[in-house]
Amino acid sequence: GAVVSQHPSWVICKSGTSVKIECRSLDFQATTMFWYRQFPKQSLMLMATSNEGSKATYEQGVEKDKFLINHASLTLSTLTVTSAHPEDSSFYICSARVPPRGSGANVLTFGAGSRLTVL
Amino acid sequence: GEDVEQSLFLSVREGDSSVINCTYTDSSSTYLYWYKQEPGAGLQLLTYIFSNMDMKQDQRLTVLLNKKDKHLSLRIADTQTGDSAIYFCAESIYSGGGADGLTFGKGTHLIIQP
Repeated sequence: GAVVSQHPSWVICKSGTSVKIECRSLDFQATTMFWYRQFPKQSLMLMATSNEGSKATYEQGVEKDKFLINHASLTLSTLTVTSAHPEDSSFYICSARVPPRGSGANVLTFGAGSRLTVL
Repeated sequence: GEDVEQSLFLSVREGDSSVINCTYTDSSSTYLYWYKQEPGAGLQLLTYIFSNMDMKQDQRLTVLLNKKDKHLSLRIADTQTGDSAIYFCAESIYSGGGADGLTFGKGTHLIIQP
């Protein structure tokens, strides 16, 4: 089945540094990928929609200069948390839209998530 | 606007059936989904149902949809310890190729008692 690989699975960084998280679709092409943020015991919050070859679409309240998204190829999207601060510590999850197989369902395959801790 | 509601916790005994409920507000929802999230992991798609269906069964999982009441449920038969996880209900409006994401509920934490 469709697999999305996310790397790194966890990262610890100092305040003020930037961190890049990669999201790859391993056996399919993903023109659209989604980035979510999940706080402890809470649901997923959609941060942005990443479109291959064009600018990402950010949800209201998400700083695009803070969370840089690049979708340079059909299999890779990256999220860079710039000048990270402790409040950016969270679980970041990406997903990719799997091409529908006749049913038309908007099936998303998720990465395993990346836990960011900013000291 | 879109809104998906779920209870935060459900506790069941091992071997019993679990029923996780979800309500949504968007009447134009086309597909409804159940995702499972184990601790520290991403989300795994369990099943989905098209809005013109009432029921879908897949091994131990049964999904019931009441479109009139905008109510979705997931029944897990013979609940096992490995079923302990957070279950997310989600909806989408399929736009035939559009880049729509999903709207998720807050998730129901399923706790299994021995």
